[in-house]
Amino acid sequence: QKEVEQNSGPLSVPEGAIASLNCTYSDRGSQSFFWYRQYSGKSPELIMFIYSNGDKEDGRFTAQLNKASQYVSLLIRDSQPSDSATYLCAVSSGSARQLTFGSGTQLTVLP
Amino acid sequence: NAGVTQTPKFRILKIGQSMTLQCAQDMNHNYMYWYRQDPGMGLKLIYYSVGAGITDKGEVPNGYNVSRSTTEDFPLRLELAAPSQTSVYFCASSQMPEGRSPLHFGNGTRLTVT
Repeated sequence: QKEVEQNSGPLSVPEGAIASLNCTYSDRGSQSFFWYRQYSGKSPELIMFIYSNGDKEDGRFTAQLNKASQYVSLLIRDSQPSDSATYLCAVSSGSARQLTFGSGTQLTVLP
Repeated sequence: NAGVTQTPKFRILKIGQSMTLQCAQDMNHNYMYWYRQDPGMGLKLIYYSVGAGITDKGEVPNGYNVSRSTTEDFPLRLELAAPSQTSVYFCASSQMPEGRSPLHFGNGTRLTVT
């Protein structure tokens, strides 16, 4: 059973701070890693994806992947109240590249 | 460009009733998926399709059926609804297999079975 683990939170950070969201996965052969943002009552939307070890930056968002330690993280710099949402980590593995989702981390950015 | 359209948005079913959740996409994506999301949980894959006429089971297929007669449409059928099927259902599509390209989600259907 492939597992993707996230701290459910809630994680609260003040506006302007860095929010750090973490995700660990069990399948060492996992190939692709995605972060989706889900506002309350809405559908998930893609924030970032990363395939290779290291950091990938997109605006205020940075995804970090460490395959040896089997974790992927998402950093949100200069956090805004509009970043308040649940962040879902998704990991793909196997020949069919099927996704396994974590249960999500709820982030609240306090004004 | 509508993207992925799901209907209905909300539905209440009695135990034992049946219904079809509709999903249509206008992005010409071959890959389509049905997920369910229980409160505080991640998404679980119910069924998926890699093209018209081809469907396969995901992680939690029991109690559901699908068909894919066209590229655009991927309806999900619930037979003999049970309280355990109370959930939010998301349809999604992608240009490549779900682990190779982003998923585009519909707005979801909130289903309650009482």
